[in-house]
Amino acid sequence: GDSVTQMEGPVTLSEEAFLTINCTYTATGYPSLFWYVQYPGEGLQLLLKATKADDKGSNKGFEATYRKETTSFHLEKGSVQVSDSAVYFCALNFNKFYFGSGTKLNVKP
Amino acid sequence: NAGVTQTPKFRILKIGQSMTLQCTQDMNHNYMYWYRQDPGMGLKLIYYSVGAGITDKGEVPNGYNVSRSTTEDFPLRLELAAPSQTSVYFCASSSVRDSSGNTIYFGEGSWLTVV
Repeated sequence: GDSVTQMEGPVTLSEEAFLTINCTYTATGYPSLFWYVQYPGEGLQLLLKATKADDKGSNKGFEATYRKETTSFHLEKGSVQVSDSAVYFCALNFNKFYFGSGTKLNVKP
Repeated sequence: NAGVTQTPKFRILKIGQSMTLQCTQDMNHNYMYWYRQDPGMGLKLIYYSVGAGITDKGEVPNGYNVSRSTTEDFPLRLELAAPSQTSVYFCASSSVRDSSGNTIYFGEGSWLTVV
């Protein structure tokens, strides 16, 4: 069945460091791919998405590219800030949404 | 600009009590979902619905019931509350998948404690 696997956390970085959070997926068709972010005490918010192979989603300095050949959708940011501290969820949608288990990011000043 | 609205935001229940978490969306979405999120964990799908009158079980349906009498509303019922149901509950909705890749929208969450 369809599923999403993302790297376990927590990930701890210093401010201005480079961020990568890995995400791979298994799908029977051609899903849309998403990254959601959850700040402490809040619900999930859409961060970015990509709907087909080789598409790049971007928002707030974050980027992810839909790689069909490696079935991946890794999240990257060139320079993280303390305010980026949150839990990040990778997700796919093909008739139904499937979420990864979440990766907690801690950014230290 | 309401989106997905769920109530209550916080609730403490005694073991064996019943309650309903309300969820409504104003985006005319066909799909609606209930997830639970245990502390430090990811999301687990409880129930989902693809349209009015249609519901289906997710990964962890035991101890819960849902109904979908209208497009807008998708209440989640806990019949006999147990401590294992202490969690944060999120309602969500999405439109039918289209070429632009429909997005799932979440409510703000309901924090439930069973004592």
